[in-house]
Amino acid sequence: SAVISQKPSRDICQRGTSLTIQCQVDSQVTMMFWYRQQPGQSLTLIATANQGSEATYESGFVIDKFPISRPNLTFSTLTVSNMSPEDSSIYLCSVETTGGLDAFFGQGTRLTVV
Amino acid sequence: DQQVKQNSPSLSVQEGRISILNCDYTNSMFDYFLWYKKYPAEGPTFLISISSIKDKNEDGRFTVFLNKSAKHLSLHIVPSQPGDSAVYFCAAKLPNFGNEKLTFGTGTRLTIIP
Repeated sequence: SAVISQKPSRDICQRGTSLTIQCQVDSQVTMMFWYRQQPGQSLTLIATANQGSEATYESGFVIDKFPISRPNLTFSTLTVSNMSPEDSSIYLCSVETTGGLDAFFGQGTRLTVV
Repeated sequence: DQQVKQNSPSLSVQEGRISILNCDYTNSMFDYFLWYKKYPAEGPTFLISISSIKDKNEDGRFTVFLNKSAKHLSLHIVPSQPGDSAVYFCAAKLPNFGNEKLTFGTGTRLTIIP
């Protein structure tokens, strides 16, 4: 397994502002994934982040709204830009250990936009 | 289009009895399945997984059964304990040598009654 540290754990933000969420892994991983869980719903993949290349976004998510950085094999950030109340969700980073099939999650960031 | 479905949003089970959580999927190309447990304000915790080449995988109190012809999997927890009270998500993957996104079900809230 992998130990994943995500911060902040929660934040309350004003609409129109941006928040950057950090994800740190205790081992090198090829891909990191960013998910969103809206209230009462399941987890939805936002994007997949490869080190050294542009992130790959799922349908309905765009880079301008959710820019992602992946500067090295143990770290990634997700920014939620120009926030509105609809962005209030739990944001989660996830990794698979190299050669593994099982995915592990950080503790999540609970974002509330007011 | 919900490719992974958990039709029971909630389930209550007496402590010590067996908990059975069900999951159905529509995409026959899925070849790897995972179960996660999620407490409020925490990220999902990986529980157990199964490859499509198997029909059963067991790990302590947790057993996952896969019925490929019915596109159905289930998680059995026995004996159920109060600490098992959480939301359980099943997830599925397409074959891609790992590093493939997870498609999640909508979750089942399990409550263990002391």
